[in-house]
Amino acid sequence: EVHLLESGGGLLQPGGSLRLSCAASGFTFSSYGMTWVRQAPGKGLEWVSGISGSGTNTYYADSVKGRFTISRDNSKNTLFLQMNSLRGEDTAVYYCAKNIVVAGSPLDYWGQGTLVTVSS
Amino acid sequence: QSVLTQPPSASGTPGQRVTISCSGSSSNIGSGTVDWYLQLPGTAPKLLIYGHNQRPSGVPDRFSGSKSGTSASLAISGLQSEDEADYYCAAWDDSLNGYVFGTGTKVTVL
Repeated sequence: EVHLLESGGGLLQPGGSLRLSCAASGFTFSSYGMTWVRQAPGKGLEWVSGISGSGTNTYYADSVKGRFTISRDNSKNTLFLQMNSLRGEDTAVYYCAKNIVVAGSPLDYWGQGTLVTVSS
Repeated sequence: QSVLTQPPSASGTPGQRVTISCSGSSSNIGSGTVDWYLQLPGTAPKLLIYGHNQRPSGVPDRFSGSKSGTSASLAISGLQSEDEADYYCAAWDDSLNGYVFGTGTKVTVL
């Protein structure tokens, strides 16, 4: 059974940094693209970033480009999102999701999410 | 600001058919396939429809998707109380080089 478990969320001040992790199990992690999606309180879904199975190709939303970095450790079945220069508008629940195949393909499994709150 | 536009709400009585629209452009819906997700309150989204009207295992055939040009639609037939949720369309956007979600539609079962 596929299982995705995010961790690393918390409360921090504007300008701060945070690294989210997503531990994956139940599938051959390195064979699939992975994605981060976020949802601000009371708002809709926003795609944040995606990465290919090998980690070679990465993709970012314009809203986070240059501030966030997606990466993965296939030896530990773990996905990461390094978030720098955080702003209030980055406050959201961050979901880790598995792509059906490659990065950019539909998201067939999701984690339960981790809350990031940016506030002074 | 999303590049895929959905109506904010839709409703129907049990047993009715409800349709949700998703309007995009040539760089997203017009050049690829559309995915649909369902999100129950307080839970993570769930994939409902993907590719050419394919349903993941466990999704009932009451849910179906279609596409015409730069627009897509999700139809829910035989509406049930458990269908009350938020629904999002999504697609890859070649211009943005990213995956984009629709604005979301809240479905209410009257």
